[in-house]
Amino acid sequence: GENVEQHPSTLSVQEGDSAVIKCTYSDSASNYFPWYKQELGKRPQLIIDIRSNVGEKKDQRIAVTLNKTAKHFSLHITETQPEDSAVYFCAAINTGGFKTIFGAGTRLFVKA
Amino acid sequence: KAGVTQTPRYLIKTRGQQVTLSCSPISGHRSVSWYQQTPGQGLQFLFEYFSETQRNKGNFPGRFSGRQFSNSRSEMNVSTLELGDSALYLCASSLAQGAGELFFGEGSRLTVL
Repeated sequence: GENVEQHPSTLSVQEGDSAVIKCTYSDSASNYFPWYKQELGKRPQLIIDIRSNVGEKKDQRIAVTLNKTAKHFSLHITETQPEDSAVYFCAAINTGGFKTIFGAGTRLFVKA
Repeated sequence: KAGVTQTPRYLIKTRGQQVTLSCSPISGHRSVSWYQQTPGQGLQFLFEYFSETQRNKGNFPGRFSGRQFSNSRSEMNVSTLELGDSALYLCASSLAQGAGELFFGEGSRLTVL
């Protein structure tokens, strides 16, 4: 069945450093890849997404890269700040299958 | 515009009971999906509804069921509750099926004793 593997499960960085979270998906028909951020006690919220016809997308301090051949995509956060501390979920979606498969999540700690 | 509303927010049940959770999507959103969130297991897909039709279902036993009404509101039901069903159940709505941003509710936290 479809599967999304996400690494690492926990990531601790110093404020100002960069953080990278990687995901690998199994369904080659996946064509939409969103990332969600969930702060403690709050609901997940979309922070960035990328579609399969694009290799990279950037929004201020966050960027996502996609390698369709290798079936993996990554979230890059530069100049991390304490407010970036949260759980981040990647997802891979086959838009024709009406099913969103999430990774297990990465808990990011940014130390001030 | 009001966000996704889930009720109840918290509930406690005992093994063997059944529970119904409700989700009201953002006005105009016709797609509603449900997820189970447990520590270490991330967000597990339960099912997705669009225009009152279940479009896909995750790998959960038949004790988990759902439905969507003509006003796009959705309910999920879990029968014969087990201790392992204790989790945060999140509902999300979106404009398009499977391809757009998911707007999550705050969730219903179910504890099974």
